[in-house]
Amino acid sequence: KQEVTQIPAALSVPEGENLVLNCSFTDSAIYNLQWFRQDPGKGLTSLLLIQSSQREQTSGRLNASLDKSSGRSTLYIAASQPGDSATYLCAVNPTSGTYKYIFGTGTRLKVLA
Amino acid sequence: GAGVSQTPSNKVTEKGKYVELRCDPISGHTALYWYRQSLGQGPEFLIYFQGTGAADDSGLPNDRFFAVRPEGSVSTLKIQRTERGDSAVYLCASSSMQADTQYFGPGTRLTVL
Repeated sequence: KQEVTQIPAALSVPEGENLVLNCSFTDSAIYNLQWFRQDPGKGLTSLLLIQSSQREQTSGRLNASLDKSSGRSTLYIAASQPGDSATYLCAVNPTSGTYKYIFGTGTRLKVLA
Repeated sequence: GAGVSQTPSNKVTEKGKYVELRCDPISGHTALYWYRQSLGQGPEFLIYFQGTGAADDSGLPNDRFFAVRPEGSVSTLKIQRTERGDSAVYLCASSSMQADTQYFGPGTRLTVL
């Protein structure tokens, strides 16, 4: 059974720092992996989607990497800003190309001004 | 509409009551998903619709939960004889195709007293 773990559960950093959020999954046979952002009282916003054949994806200050064989993904945030404060969720889409995202429990990020 | 919308945003009910939660997907999206997110956890898959039919309802916790999508657009999640353990945020998502990027609504926070 696929399980997704995110470390750390919470993180507090001063503005301007570069930071890394970690996601690990137990079954390396995945179709894709997606990073989401969740703000309090709001839905999930897709940040980056990495297909199983890809190693990384970049969007602005965000870079997500995928190492399928070791069951790991990282989300790198450069030059963090207070507006980056949110919960970041990692979700795995199983290998059959189905739709049942399996989510981690998230990392709660707070960027201090 | 521009995004996925869900109503109500908050619902407080008493144990044993019946509730309905509504989801309006992005126009033209044929796939619709319901997830449940308990406090401090990632979302968990409940049910997936392709068009009007429930293609996969394996995530529904028990027979008190039921969902419909009669015209292939709006969906309603129905919970009978609510229990305190049903308290959670219920998220809806839609996508243009199965296994494509899912776009999430803001969720309905259900509280069962």
